[in-house]
Amino acid sequence: QSVLTQPPSASGTPGQRVTISCSGSSSNIGSNIVNWYQQFPGTAPKLLIYNNNQRPSGVPARFSGSKSGTSASLAISGLQSDDEADYYCATWDDSLSGRVFGGGTRLTVL
Amino acid sequence: QVQLQESGPGLVKPSQTLSLTCTVSDDSLSSDDSYWSWIRQPAGKGLEWIGRVYNSGSTNYNPSLKSRVAMSVDTSKNQFSLRLRSVTAADTAVYYCARETVGGGDPWYYYYMDVWGKGTTVIVSS
Repeated sequence: QSVLTQPPSASGTPGQRVTISCSGSSSNIGSNIVNWYQQFPGTAPKLLIYNNNQRPSGVPARFSGSKSGTSASLAISGLQSDDEADYYCATWDDSLSGRVFGGGTRLTVL
Repeated sequence: QVQLQESGPGLVKPSQTLSLTCTVSDDSLSSDDSYWSWIRQPAGKGLEWIGRVYNSGSTNYNPSLKSRVAMSVDTSKNQFSLRLRSVTAADTAVYYCARETVGGGDPWYYYYMDVWGKGTTVIVSS
């Protein structure tokens, strides 16, 4: 049972816009920034979004992040088949004094 | 380009201690801008944060693992380490090391894991 709640799956067709939600509480998302990671099967996670909505160099502008209250979202526009991966949100939890991850969302491009 | 590489036994017997090392290239563990973290992922499951260590030796651990975990740094070798005691089959996973870089500024700092190792599989079995 993850501290942060993500839908286990999401899907879309090429070119569509997809959003993945991440729900937390006042002790984590409500008071800390959110980062997002992308993971392809058999590989290490890769930083996709940091500080709620910042993209590291090399990450396409099709990927965007937002945060409101105790929830955060990752949006992917112009969906491509290469976007098929697992996506994880992460933040710091003040009550646990530790970093927490969402359970992950598997994105399928139909 | 900063690289992290995990190393250690791929097979550990139940009740023994799992020991892993992460070697950092092209960055310094002595940097004040980073924490050094361990994360694991059981097969087919999500990511679990194990903990992090600072260059001073200061640590933060996942409360669920805190009683069994110890992390340390060796700045002379540019390595940091994970020790997990009394392992069981539930500790079987891919273990990743990662760098947590600081962003923002005083007084609002934040951290994000921007560089990851490729991961190493550890199986707990007799």
